Amino acid sequence: GNSVTQMEGPVTLSEEAFLTINCTYTATGYPSLFWYVQYPGEGLQLLLKATKADDKGSNKGFEATYRKETTSFHLEKGSVQVSDSAVYFCALSTDYKLSFGAGTTVTVRA
Amino acid sequence: GAVVSQHPSRVICKSGTSVKIECRSLDFQATTMFWYRQFPKQSLMLMATSNEGSKATYEQGVEKDKFLINHASLTLSTLTVTSAHPEDSSFYICSARDPDGRTWDTQYFGPGTRLTVL
Repeated sequence: GNSVTQMEGPVTLSEEAFLTINCTYTATGYPSLFWYVQYPGEGLQLLLKATKADDKGSNKGFEATYRKETTSFHLEKGSVQVSDSAVYFCALSTDYKLSFGAGTTVTVRA
Repeated sequence: GAVVSQHPSRVICKSGTSVKIECRSLDFQATTMFWYRQFPKQSLMLMATSNEGSKATYEQGVEKDKFLINHASLTLSTLTVTSAHPEDSSFYICSARDPDGRTWDTQYFGPGTRLTVL
């Protein structure tokens, strides 16, 4: 079956620090990969996605590259801001169903 | 675009009563919607897939008689928690898939409904 494993948190960073959240997956077929973000008190928002191997998704300074050889989709941002404090979910999609990782809580301090 | 709303955002009910949660796609037609449950500090667990005009498909372990899903139109799906008990208290989230264009594989999420059963 499909599964997503992502780095456990919580992660606490200072503003302008580098952020990386590891995500690996197991899937049958060729999944699409996603990062969703959940800000405090809000619903999930799509942050970025990649649909095939070597694709790079990017948005709001965040990037992730679909690595088929390592079955990974690590999220990175070079310089975080306080407004990036949120819970980040890695997810994969096959047959239109999403499987989520456990979520990583990120707190950025000024 | 691709906005999904949920109503209500919060609901408190007594044990034994039924609660209906609505999920609407506001600016697109969603042939498929999904219902998730999220426990505190945990990930989302898919409960069921709701298809317009047909019966919902439930994930293993989800009681279909307890969680009734109706997808009566291309923009509305409802989840009814019947005879609610305190263990049904949770955060319920819906999502909708826009079948057109470049975002065919992307789900758009509603803001969620916090259900508390006393």
